[in-house]
Amino acid sequence: DSGVTQTPKHLITATGQRVTLRCSPRSGDLSVYWYQQSLDQGLQFLIQYYNGEERAKGNILERFSAQQFPDLHSELNLSSLELGDSALYFCASSRGLGAGEQFFGPGTRLTVL
Amino acid sequence: AQSVAQPEDQVNVAEGNPLTVKCTYSVSGNPYLFWYVQYPNRGLQFLLKYITGDNLVKGSYGFEAEFNESQTSFHLKKPSALVSDSALYFCAVRDMKDNAGNMLTFGGGTRLMVKP
Repeated sequence: DSGVTQTPKHLITATGQRVTLRCSPRSGDLSVYWYQQSLDQGLQFLIQYYNGEERAKGNILERFSAQQFPDLHSELNLSSLELGDSALYFCASSRGLGAGEQFFGPGTRLTVL
Repeated sequence: AQSVAQPEDQVNVAEGNPLTVKCTYSVSGNPYLFWYVQYPNRGLQFLLKYITGDNLVKGSYGFEAEFNESQTSFHLKKPSALVSDSALYFCAVRDMKDNAGNMLTFGGGTRLMVKP
């Protein structure tokens, strides 16, 4: 158990809908990262927050947004969902901005029908 | 931009034999390299990292990795494979995106199959 929690574990929804994925980092970790894992794209970085502020953006679609709250938990919002958004979404956390390892949550499997 | 390549989609090895999972990287600046393992329906688990220092890095579950700067490689190794090592292995490099972020860029993954 990495100490990173994600809810829900599974999410099934229809095209055009909006969903919210939630992540709680390990105790004491200030950085939160979101990654998407799909068969065709592999593991891709989406976005990083550090202590409430956005630090880096990767290949994140404009339909996707995220935020990190004062208690350091984070939410990833996915809207106008398309079939191709079906994937495993991982949250990871790390202490700060240094070279330390990131600890990954169990992921949320999103299925868009 | 940083990149990582894992040239083998799958590696097959017999239990008790040594295993190697290959990784090559391309970075500008100092390489910060990581190995993660993913078991079915689970998140990624950290195995080991290279930041600086000894070229042979020891990690969890008996795994180690050899950093070779001249060959820009960071191969994962284990002297004696176990059936329970069968999983998906990812090599990653830290990418200081625009000197602000701290993202990981992953290779495509290598499936390790250890047969009894």
